[in-house]
Amino acid sequence: AQTVTQSQPEMSVQEAETVTLSCTYDTSENNYYLFWYKQPPSRQMILVIRQEAYKQQNATENRFSVNFQKAAKSFSLKISDSQLGDTAMYFCAFMPGANSKLTFGKGITLSVRP
Amino acid sequence: DTEVTQTPKHLVMGMTNKKSLKCEQHMGHRAMYWYKQKAKKPPELMFVYSYEKLSINESVPSRFSPECPNSSLLNLHLHALQPEDSALYLCASSQGRGGVTSSYNEQFFGPGTRLTVL
Repeated sequence: AQTVTQSQPEMSVQEAETVTLSCTYDTSENNYYLFWYKQPPSRQMILVIRQEAYKQQNATENRFSVNFQKAAKSFSLKISDSQLGDTAMYFCAFMPGANSKLTFGKGITLSVRP
Repeated sequence: DTEVTQTPKHLVMGMTNKKSLKCEQHMGHRAMYWYKQKAKKPPELMFVYSYEKLSINESVPSRFSPECPNSSLLNLHLHALQPEDSALYLCASSQGRGGVTSSYNEQFFGPGTRLTVL
């Protein structure tokens, strides 16, 4: 069975600064996918970024980038130039290559201070 | 059209009522999902339909009954619910199983139906 651990329940960051959200996972699979989802107070779950385990290059989407350490089973999300609209709950999620079941971490509440 | 729609947005029902939640997508996705989410918690998978067939049932009580009439529609029929079933119910869809890239497996979520059981 796969597990996803987000050990920080809450974080706060000043607007325009950089913040890193941590995530670790445990799996015996070799081929899998990792995701960061954002859920603002409006509750719509939105995909922020995804990473294929077979790719060594870290994924980047504008201000969002990941630090994927496969050997350490770590998948952290870095948000640069934080904006007020980044205030949300962030979930790290894992998907094995063999099926479509997503395993979510407990989530972290990120607050961006003006 | 790259969105998943859900109706109604809010639903209040008594424990003896029968109601249904509806989910629709027009992205040609062949996998659809129901999740239950409590406040400040991650979504919990309830059901997965793959090519209109129920492929995963996460031991959900029988008072929740899913239905997939066609590849674009997913319903969740509710009957004799308990107050602890009050939650946000999320629908999601993805292209389907067997893809070799994560975009093939990416799940698109709807806005959810907030359900309150009195």
